[in-house]
Amino acid sequence: GQNIDQPTEMTATEGAIVQINCTYQTSGFNGLFWYQQHAGEAPTFLSYNVLDGLEEKGRFSSFLSRSKGYSYLLLKELQMKDSASYLCAVRDSNYQLIWGAGTKLIIKP
Amino acid sequence: GAVVSQHPSRVICKSGTSVKIECRSLDFQATTMFWYRQFPKQSLMLMATSNEGSKATYEQGVEKDKFLINHASLTLSTLTVTSAHPEDSSFYICSARDGGGDSGELFFGEGSRLTVL
Repeated sequence: GQNIDQPTEMTATEGAIVQINCTYQTSGFNGLFWYQQHAGEAPTFLSYNVLDGLEEKGRFSSFLSRSKGYSYLLLKELQMKDSASYLCAVRDSNYQLIWGAGTKLIIKP
Repeated sequence: GAVVSQHPSRVICKSGTSVKIECRSLDFQATTMFWYRQFPKQSLMLMATSNEGSKATYEQGVEKDKFLINHASLTLSTLTVTSAHPEDSSFYICSARDGGGDSGELFFGEGSRLTVL
């Protein structure tokens, strides 16, 4: 079956760096996405990886290793507003998005 | 970026009534829109794919007669929850893709929180 695994919850300190991991097992691969979702709101797009390597976008970076079925989202210089859930999603061979359950990130002062 | 608007954001209804949720792409044409349901502390669950001018494609386990989807134009899709029951209470979110670009970025509506009493 298809599966996306990411930690349920993480805690980090304001100003620090945090890495949220995502491992996946899907039928085919056509890209991996990271979305941010604040409580009670819809998700917003953060990043897209389809080739191996690191994609940097401001304070956020996303890494992909297709051979390992692994990705991480790296958040630097954490701010209180970064407290949210971070969803990992993989597009499979049928171009369907398979969603992880999300990682709730708690930022402490 | 592209904007998707969803209405209403919150709705409370009595058991047995029907509720319609609208999803509009405001600055682009969306031939395909997606409807998700999200229960508390759970991930997004795709309910159906809405195709302009044709029937929606429902995911396994989603009752098409209960969740009616109409995609009458390139900018509007509607989801009607018919004869709603308390177990239908959930966060319903629509999304659309702007163009056929490979990045496949989805733009989400604000979501609609349905509470069935």
